[in-house]
Amino acid sequence: QKEVEQDPGPLSVPEGAIVSLNCTYSNSAFQYFMWYRQYSRKGPELLMYTYSSGNKEDGRFTAQVDKSSKYISLFIRDSQPSDSATYLCAMRSGTASKLTFGTGTRLQVTL
Amino acid sequence: EPEVTQTPSHQVTQMGQEVILRCVPISNHLYFYWYRQILGQKVEFLVSFYNNEISEKSEIFDDQFSVERPDGSNFTLKIRSTKLEDSAMYFCASSTRQESYGYTFGSGTRLTVV
Repeated sequence: QKEVEQDPGPLSVPEGAIVSLNCTYSNSAFQYFMWYRQYSRKGPELLMYTYSSGNKEDGRFTAQVDKSSKYISLFIRDSQPSDSATYLCAMRSGTASKLTFGTGTRLQVTL
Repeated sequence: EPEVTQTPSHQVTQMGQEVILRCVPISNHLYFYWYRQILGQKVEFLVSFYNNEISEKSEIFDDQFSVERPDGSNFTLKIRSTKLEDSAMYFCASSTRQESYGYTFGSGTRLTVV
């Protein structure tokens, strides 16, 4: 079983739709959870981070972590064509510095 | 907004040659990282560096790889004898402290080994 699993997509939605992106993981030591956005041929850009379980909201973005199910989500409300990118989940344990990434989900928001 | 700068953006090298990838982290950051992303695959951790020492490295980071902070601003990744399978995007990242939730990544260097 992979440490972090993420559906690669592509996911195509119309402008204005609510987007749900998800990752599952197997390592119960993970405590810090992040979502990055990556445009083609660019580096990952941090969108959201959460510690342990719970929800966090920032503008149109909401991150959720359910540690009991080892499942994290990113919701994008009122999606825009500029949201078209690859979304990477990443996580790390409390003692390690390294981030473990999912494979990324490619999102296309159409007009 | 402060950013991590990487040079060159694209490097082509012959198999067996040495390459040095360069990074200028954000000026007040103390922790530095290299990650790589082979085309179509996930971003993978290579190494973290703090206080002029490697603090953590992955199994990918073998004796062919080394890192250095030669002065107060640059952070370099050296690959001694490149292989075809080293072709990838290499990302440098930095953070203020290890507990920092997220790191700031550079735009990457695309390394092509021919």
